Amino acid sequence: DGGITQSPKYLFRKEGQNVTLSCEQNLNHDAMYWYRQDPGQGLRLIYYSQIVNDFQKGDIAEGYSVSREKKESFPLTVTSAQKNPTAFYLCASSKTGGNNEQFFGPGTRLTVL
Amino acid sequence: QQQVKQSPQSLIVQKGGISIINCAYENTAFDYFPWYQQFPGKGPALLIAIRPDVSEKKEGRFTISFNKSAKQFSLHIMDSQPGDSATYFCAASMGDDKIIFGKGTRLHILP
Repeated sequence: DGGITQSPKYLFRKEGQNVTLSCEQNLNHDAMYWYRQDPGQGLRLIYYSQIVNDFQKGDIAEGYSVSREKKESFPLTVTSAQKNPTAFYLCASSKTGGNNEQFFGPGTRLTVL
Repeated sequence: QQQVKQSPQSLIVQKGGISIINCAYENTAFDYFPWYQQFPGKGPALLIAIRPDVSEKKEGRFTISFNKSAKQFSLHIMDSQPGDSATYFCAASMGDDKIIFGKGTRLHILP
């Protein structure tokens, strides 16, 4: 089955701790994305990557970091610098070349205690 | 200029009725307008998409109407069913792989 997997589905962390969210895809897509979803706020882009070893900041990158060492993987680290990290995080991937469907993973719900 | 404005924020429709969600944009460079559907606890999935060279696209009960001069587009769901209850996002992009999403509409279809 081709698709995007995110793990874990639920994640709890204490204030001041960094946490890494996993995103893996086997669709052979070059582009990958991280979004944050809050009630009434829609999908806000955190970081995106169009090719291995390269990534760009989205609209709300502060307090987050990413890496893209492999085509299949695009992990997101939520650092202690993120002031309000409790949210639903979605990873997506797509072909490059413009105007392509983004395929989303099932999401990770992060709660800071 | 990069925003996509979506309304209403929430919508309740009787089973069998027509659900209508509207979106507006400012950037005339946008050339791809998808709609995504999201069920609770799941990731969004592409429902239907349109390019500005056509005024309407229909797939089953779902229709996108596009008004290029007004910079508006809308989703119509005909014969709405309880299974259509979900959050719908309109979006726009202009070929650089980023998609700008509206804030979403929570649709509830009454049985």
